[in-house]
Amino acid sequence: KAGVTQTPRYLIKTRGQQVTLSCSPISGHRSVSWYQQTPGQGLQFLFEYFSETQRNKGNFPGRFSGRQFSNSRSEMNVSTLELGDSALYLCASSLARGRAINEQFFGPGTRLTVL
Amino acid sequence: QKEVEQDPGPLSVPEGAIVSLNCTYSNSAFQYFMWYRQYSRKGPELLMYTYSSGNKEDGRFTAQVDKSSKYISLFIRDSQPSDSATYLCAMSQPSGAGSYQLTFGKGTKLSVIP
Repeated sequence: KAGVTQTPRYLIKTRGQQVTLSCSPISGHRSVSWYQQTPGQGLQFLFEYFSETQRNKGNFPGRFSGRQFSNSRSEMNVSTLELGDSALYLCASSLARGRAINEQFFGPGTRLTVL
Repeated sequence: QKEVEQDPGPLSVPEGAIVSLNCTYSNSAFQYFMWYRQYSRKGPELLMYTYSSGNKEDGRFTAQVDKSSKYISLFIRDSQPSDSATYLCAMSQPSGAGSYQLTFGKGTKLSVIP
């Protein structure tokens, strides 16, 4: 079974631009979560989508948004990029059966650099 | 105070050593406790999870939870160079709508020297 795929793997943008990152979950997985990973803050939860609806949201500004399509693929968008948005953005998918230990399978991430 | 605290290291040990990785937490709502391993340029992968206080063993790995002290540990016996990675603790709590949210520690970078 193919794992979680994320595109692109690397991205360089300048301040003020916007960016869209894509995530394809494992086949059959209906939940997709997004995380931001930085050396200073570690892995921080952005949001979770399930059946095309945002089910949870972390403590990030409204410049960070996402969506999920009917095939469970997900995109996240960051508008008006800031230098501090430079990070590894990780997508994770799970079966999401409402159990506390829905194992999340992570993709390799998209490395975003904002200049 | 962050909900989950983890010493970022780095930690360097000789091959064969016993490694101890630790996290403390402040949120009593956390129900499940997990350890993820992240190799360079890869996403994290789940190593072990546990629910109750006590020990859980899986091969060379032992996860320990002390809910009264809000303290979790991961022990690696007979460490190997292939164990060199960043280890992240994670804890889950209900977040409504039948969902659970994970909170991660910052991760400890481990190097096992041959």
